[in-house]
Amino acid sequence: QSALTQPASISGSPGQSITISCTGTSSDVGGYKYVSWYQQHPGKAPTLMIYDVSNRPSGVSNRFSGSKSGNTASLTISGLLAEDEADYYCSSYTSSSTRVFGGGTKLTVL
Amino acid sequence: EEQLVESGGGLVKPGGSLKLSCAASGFTFSTYTMNWVRQAPGKGLEWVSAISSSSIHIYYADSLKGRFTVSRDNAKNSLYLQMSSLRAEDTAVYYCARDQYGTYTFDYWGQGTLVTVS
Repeated sequence: QSALTQPASISGSPGQSITISCTGTSSDVGGYKYVSWYQQHPGKAPTLMIYDVSNRPSGVSNRFSGSKSGNTASLTISGLLAEDEADYYCSSYTSSSTRVFGGGTKLTVL
Repeated sequence: EEQLVESGGGLVKPGGSLKLSCAASGFTFSTYTMNWVRQAPGKGLEWVSAISSSSIHIYYADSLKGRFTVSRDNAKNSLYLQMSSLRAEDTAVYYCARDQYGTYTFDYWGQGTLVTVS
């Protein structure tokens, strides 16, 4: 199972919006609604930000939103804050009943 | 409050074995699918294994090639990962993570335990 494809890095200024893409295949991202996104600050465990493509867990800011089109899912962060600077990972369920992560995207808030 | 605490990491020689544990509290452990996810130093997340609530369904990443075995003891609210034939590339922080009900999402994570193969 190959990792999902994410841009290695992305940057934005405070207040701006950014979108991180996550590209897979019809056997994972394109085939299921089970795409999730995780935020990880240095030295910390990941935390869930989006599940089932576009759902936000309670406590997660509505500045975070998710979507999917075909084999590509996207995470959008609006109104960037300094605290959003972190690594972001997508994950998907697969046709083999396994899970797969993206390679991760490092977000820099300028 | 839901909590997952991993233990058992450490330094092991190539070819050696190690067993990781994950102690769960604050939720009904026996009703949730659990996972192991690892992260090599400076690298991304890699899913390792999943085990269903009753241990009936068990899945592994293809890359492990039968070297790892996941298990659980619902009476002890504990998840385990037995690792054998360890290689340098298995060096990573190993996290246990809970599956959210009704979806394939890791909703709670432990803080991780570091395994160093050298």
